[in-house]
Amino acid sequence: AQRVTQPEKLLSVFKGAPVELKCNYSYSGSPELFWYVQYSRQRLQLLLRHISRESIKGFTADLNKGETSFHLKKPFAQEEDSAMYYCALSGVTGGGNKLTFGTGTQLKVEL
Amino acid sequence: DADVTQTPRNRITKTGKRIMLECSQTKGHDRMYWYRQDPGLGLRLIYYSFDVKDINKGEISDGYSVSRQAQAKFSLSLESAIPNQTALYFCATSAPYGTALTDTQYFGPGTRLTVL
Repeated sequence: AQRVTQPEKLLSVFKGAPVELKCNYSYSGSPELFWYVQYSRQRLQLLLRHISRESIKGFTADLNKGETSFHLKKPFAQEEDSAMYYCALSGVTGGGNKLTFGTGTQLKVEL
Repeated sequence: DADVTQTPRNRITKTGKRIMLECSQTKGHDRMYWYRQDPGLGLRLIYYSFDVKDINKGEISDGYSVSRQAQAKFSLSLESAIPNQTALYFCATSAPYGTALTDTQYFGPGTRLTVL
């Protein structure tokens, strides 16, 4: 079975402070990991995926297979980063297009 | 503008009623999905379809059925609604991402369903 854990329901940081949204996963094979974001009054959208190794809107995430983690990081939070963030996993060995989502973390960036 | 749309956006119904949620897309994608979102539980997959003749159950399909009327349309039905089906329902479509195994998914705006 595959599982995604996001331990924080809410994370509040001040503008300019570093951000780290935690994500841990459980999967016996080799996973693909993603971060999706939902801004206020907008639909859910892909933020980044681990295989692309891109930095999107200043966010990065590194897949750590030893710790089974895929934490989302940004060095300096901006007010427009306030949103709900979901970590998601897709199993490479079959079911490659089925995503398992975590419960989400609401990020609030305060001035 | 190519998009994923859902109707209705909000619906209140009573226990035992049949209800259909509709999803349409103009992205030309073959693959479509239905999820429900509950507070504290994230998004859970109900059904998915990889083409018009393909329907698959997700992790929480009990109490739901789907119909893929065309490439662009994927409907979710609750044959006899019950209060614990009160949730936010999302439709999504997907397209291949290069050579990656997993597509990028594109979500609709959601339908808020309340079953009294």
